[in-house]
Amino acid sequence: DVKVTQSSRYLVKRTGEKVFLECVQDMDHENMFWYRQDPGLGLRLIYFSYDVKMKEKGDIPEGYSVSREKKERFSLILESASTNQTSMYLCASRRQGRRYEQYFGPGTRLTVT
Amino acid sequence: AQKVTQVQTEISVVEKEDVTLDCVYETRDTTYYLFWYKQPPSGELVFLIRRNSFDEQNEISGRYSWNFQKSTSSFNFTITASQVVDSAVYFCALSEAIKETSGSRLTFGEGTQLTVNP
Repeated sequence: DVKVTQSSRYLVKRTGEKVFLECVQDMDHENMFWYRQDPGLGLRLIYFSYDVKMKEKGDIPEGYSVSREKKERFSLILESASTNQTSMYLCASRRQGRRYEQYFGPGTRLTVT
Repeated sequence: AQKVTQVQTEISVVEKEDVTLDCVYETRDTTYYLFWYKQPPSGELVFLIRRNSFDEQNEISGRYSWNFQKSTSSFNFTITASQVVDSAVYFCALSEAIKETSGSRLTFGEGTQLTVNP
């Protein structure tokens, strides 16, 4: 079974802090994704990576950056957390190729105070 | 740009009723893939089904069935004899190729919250 894990289920940070959200997958998937989920807005793509050291901006990249130094790990970085980044963050991975489904992690609920 | 619209934001039914979740999509691609995911209260999205644009056969899996109609750009999901455990948010998604790279991404609808009451 594919396993996608995220470093924390719940996280509380202060405004202005640098925040790291980690995602690890164990199935050697080429593609990895970061989404945020907010009520009424569905899943919005922040960044994705289709291979190691490769990254592409999604629909809402502002205020975020990512890092993919190893194939199994994809990190989302909030350089200076703000209250409007309070949200559920979901990581996903997938084999290369658009026919393949994405596998999701359990999510990290981030609260910025 | 691609777009996925889930017609119902919320649906509430009583157990054993049948329920259909509607999904309409827009794309210029001739080859594309459609997906349904379930997000139970625990939060983790679970893959339910994939359909490619060349396969319009309806699919049935237990109490779940899917109706793909290319002519109306719809990919609807029906749960027969609903159960309380079906309560979840359901997402429809469309796979898009990123032509400039070798990557691709999913475009999700906003989700439909299904509540099945005992």
